[in-house]
Amino acid sequence: QKEVEQNSGPLSVPEGAIASLNCTYSDRGSQSFFWYRQYSGKSPELIMFIYSNGDKEDGRFTAQLNKASQYVSLLIRDSQPSDSATYLCAVNSPGTASKLTFGTGTRLQVTL
Amino acid sequence: DVKVTQSSRYLVKRTGEKVFLECVQDMDHENMFWYRQDPGLGLRLIYFSYDVKMKEKGDIPEGYSVSREKKERFSLILESASTNQTSMYLCASSLGGGLMPQHFGDGTRLSIL
Repeated sequence: QKEVEQNSGPLSVPEGAIASLNCTYSDRGSQSFFWYRQYSGKSPELIMFIYSNGDKEDGRFTAQLNKASQYVSLLIRDSQPSDSATYLCAVNSPGTASKLTFGTGTRLQVTL
Repeated sequence: DVKVTQSSRYLVKRTGEKVFLECVQDMDHENMFWYRQDPGLGLRLIYFSYDVKMKEKGDIPEGYSVSREKKERFSLILESASTNQTSMYLCASSLGGGLMPQHFGDGTRLSIL
C-alpha cells in the first residue's frame, strides 16, 4: 500500500512568519509531487509541483524535494491569514496512469 | 485556465435511488477521476478513466460505476444509494503522460437520507 503521511496539525504560525509543511511518502519510485491548498468547504487547488531534487520557488511558496529521504516540504514565507487552510500533499508513482496518492492534509492557522 | 465543472454543488437523494453525478472538463484532458472526501479519511479514489470508454477501479469502487462516452464528460453513478455514501464528491482531470497535476471541480456535497 503506497502511503503519503502528513502531520494533521493544526500548525499555528504568526502573520509574517515562515510556515513549514512536511510530507513523507513510501514509494521510492515516485516521480512527481504536488501541493494543494484546500479551504474549508472548497475543493483542492493546485499551488506547486516538483519533479526534481532540490528547491522550486514560486512567489511566497517554495517546494523542497529530497528523494533519498522520501521527503517533500512546502515553505510559505510571509504567511498571511488568507493562507489559513488545509494543505494536501500528493504523490504520483510510475505505472499508475496519472493516479495520485493524497495525504490527509495539514491544517495551517496563521494568527494575527 | 482549466475548467472542471460538476453539475451540482449540493444534492439530496433517498436511500435506494440511482444517482448520477456529472463532470465536464474543457481542456481536452485524457485523464479524469472521481474521488470522495470524508473527514479524517482524506481523498479516496473511486474510479478513473484514461480515455473514452476506458475506466479503471480505484481504491473504493464498491457501490459505484462510471461512464465516459465523450472525452470531456465523466459520470459517476451510485447504483442504489445508501446512507454511507453521504460525502463530498470531487471530480478531477489531467493531461496524459503520468506526471501531470490534477485539476479539481468545485465538488458535490451529496446527502443520502
